[in-house]
Amino acid sequence: DAKTTQPTSMDCAEGRAANLPCNHSTISGNEYVYWYRQIHSQGPQYIIHGLKNNETNEMASLIITEDRKSSTLILPHATLRDTAVYYCIVRVSGSARQLTFGSGTQLTVLP
Amino acid sequence: NAGVTQTPKFQVLKTGQSMTLQCAQDMNHNSMYWYRQDPGMGLRLIYYSASEGTTDKGEVPNGYNVSRLNKREFSLRLESAAPSQTSVYFCASSPGQHTDYGYTFGSGTRLTVV
Repeated sequence: DAKTTQPTSMDCAEGRAANLPCNHSTISGNEYVYWYRQIHSQGPQYIIHGLKNNETNEMASLIITEDRKSSTLILPHATLRDTAVYYCIVRVSGSARQLTFGSGTQLTVLP
Repeated sequence: NAGVTQTPKFQVLKTGQSMTLQCAQDMNHNSMYWYRQDPGMGLRLIYYSASEGTTDKGEVPNGYNVSRLNKREFSLRLESAAPSQTSVYFCASSPGQHTDYGYTFGSGTRLTVV
C-alpha cells in the first residue's frame, strides 16, 4: 500500500470548514483513499473513502486531485466534537492486506 | 445498538500472567481484527480473521494467540504477559476483507502489565 503524509496537527475555529490534507504521491491506480478518525480514548471511526471522484456523505467530503497524488478531507462546519486524530489510509480495493494506520493529524476545533 | 463489544474495558496483569480479551460483533460481519495502540502512536495489526475458521498474523503477532470461536466472536490471548504488552487493544470487524465498506471498531481494552 502507498505511504501517506499528513500534517501532525491543525487547528480550526468552531463553525468553520476544516480542511485536512493528505499526500499520497506513490498511489497506484487501484488504490482507494480512506479516512478514519479517532476521538480521544475511543476506537477509530470510518468517515469516507474514494477512488478518483469526489465523494460526499453525511459526515464529510473527500476531494481527490486529478493526478490522485493528494486529497483533502473537508468537515464543512466543524464542531468541538470533531476534535480528534484523523487518519488518511491508502489501500488496494479488495486487498487481502489490512488497514495500516500512520500517525494521523490531530485536529483541534477551537471555540 | 449494533456494533463491536470488547471485554474487559480495563485490566491490570502481573508479568507472566495470562488472560484472554474477548470481542463480539452482531453485524454478521465476516472479517475480524485485533489491533494494539501504544501511547501517541497509530494502530498496529496483531492478528486478523478473514472469515470464520481462518486466522492470520498481522504486523505484531509475537506474544499473542487468537481464536475465531464462531462468526461473532474473536478472542485474543496473552499466554505470558510482559510489560511491553501494556497498550490499548482494539477489536474491529468488517463485512469482508474484499469489501470497501469501513471497519467498525470496539471501544478498546486498556491493559497494563506490571
